[in-house]
Amino acid sequence: SQELEQSPQSLIVQEGKNLTINCTSSKTLYGLYWYKQKYGEGLIFLMMLQKGGEEKSHEKITAKLDEKKQQSSLHITASQPSHAGIYLCGAEWGAQKLVFGQGTRLTINP
Amino acid sequence: EAGVAQSPRYKIIEKRQSVAFWCNPISGHATLYWYQQILGQGPKLLIQFQNNGVVDDSQLPKDRFSAERLKGVDSTLKIQPAKLEDSAVYLCASSYRVTEAFFGQGTRLTVV
Repeated sequence: SQELEQSPQSLIVQEGKNLTINCTSSKTLYGLYWYKQKYGEGLIFLMMLQKGGEEKSHEKITAKLDEKKQQSSLHITASQPSHAGIYLCGAEWGAQKLVFGQGTRLTINP
Repeated sequence: EAGVAQSPRYKIIEKRQSVAFWCNPISGHATLYWYQQILGQGPKLLIQFQNNGVVDDSQLPKDRFSAERLKGVDSTLKIQPAKLEDSAVYLCASSYRVTEAFFGQGTRLTVV
């Protein structure tokens, strides 16, 4: 079974709309990381969350970590074509090991 | 600051051949990761180094895959012999701590 589950697996939204991607861990996290990947390229770091209830924002992207440190959400406000890509959540459970979910493929339609 | 360098970017080989990938991490980063990303899936951790020691290689298929990190800097990942199911993008990443691991562009391997 997958220890880190992302939902949805794919998402198509109209430009300008808001959207949310979820990431659920089977166990308590030491750290939760959000990355973005363009097709065929490496991963770009977006944000890191470590404390229960923590929330961070960068431009139009906001990420939250729940109080129990087992669930995170990534919210994009007023989506733009530049937001298209694959969003990956990564988890640290200990021993500095970084494990990823299966990814959410985001498509923005004009 | 120079990023994580990987080479080659693309490689096509026939099954049962051997292949090697090279990674040069960001200077000063003690932790180095190799991931395998099959199309449509998230990256799967193959091996993690701390300096030149292996921290985790539980998901490395050791009958055909090997990796080393000489002098705690550059690393190579080798597949010998390759199978069709090894077709994937191989990503190298490095970090000072786990926080904000930096990724290279990856090597896309096609086994035919």
